[in-house]
Amino acid sequence: DADVTQTPRNRITKTGKRIMLECSQTKGHDRMYWYRQDPGLGLRLIYYSFDVKDINKGEISDGYSVSRQAQAKFSLSLESAIPNQTALYFCATSAQVPNTGELFFGEGSRLTVL
Amino acid sequence: AQSVAQPEDQVNVAEGNPLTVKCTYSVSGNPYLFWYVQYPNRGLQFLLKYITGDNLVKGSYGFEAEFNKSQTSFHLKKPSALVSDSALYFCAVSDPVSGGSYIPTFGRGTSLIVHP
Repeated sequence: DADVTQTPRNRITKTGKRIMLECSQTKGHDRMYWYRQDPGLGLRLIYYSFDVKDINKGEISDGYSVSRQAQAKFSLSLESAIPNQTALYFCATSAQVPNTGELFFGEGSRLTVL
Repeated sequence: AQSVAQPEDQVNVAEGNPLTVKCTYSVSGNPYLFWYVQYPNRGLQFLLKYITGDNLVKGSYGFEAEFNKSQTSFHLKKPSALVSDSALYFCAVSDPVSGGSYIPTFGRGTSLIVHP
């Protein structure tokens, strides 16, 4: 089983719909992240959380919200999806100790907004 | 602020030849540097990292990278490329000085194509 699991893996939706992408991990890491990947732009950080009660905005948080339901679960929501949110979304985790910044990624959630 | 640049969108190499994927960085303090690989329809996988110590770092699948502080570079290398090395490669940097958050910034990625 994967250490970092994302659901759904693929989703097609319409403009204005609410979408939730879910991430769960079995690595026991405190830190969790949501990134967005667009061709030619690399990975951009949307939100991150260093523990259950800690939520921080990343580089491109507008239009997104997150919830850290437990140490192992971190979900990303698009309250009203728009076409330019079409992208590949990655959840990642990292250890608090030792903290070297190495990330462990899920397999990705491909979202298409029509 | 931290940043990383991958100057090549694509690198083409023949199987058996050496390969280099370039990365340069900018940080305030001493960098933590990483390379990740992404195969089609997969998540990113960690290849190697430089934290401190020897400038030549060895990683997974026969890859290595050389940290060059004077040139602020961290190029990924492999002596003999395989067709199966074809993938998207990302360089990343984090700056321990920036509040201790260690959150990496990623480059735009370089597509490596190894021809048979």
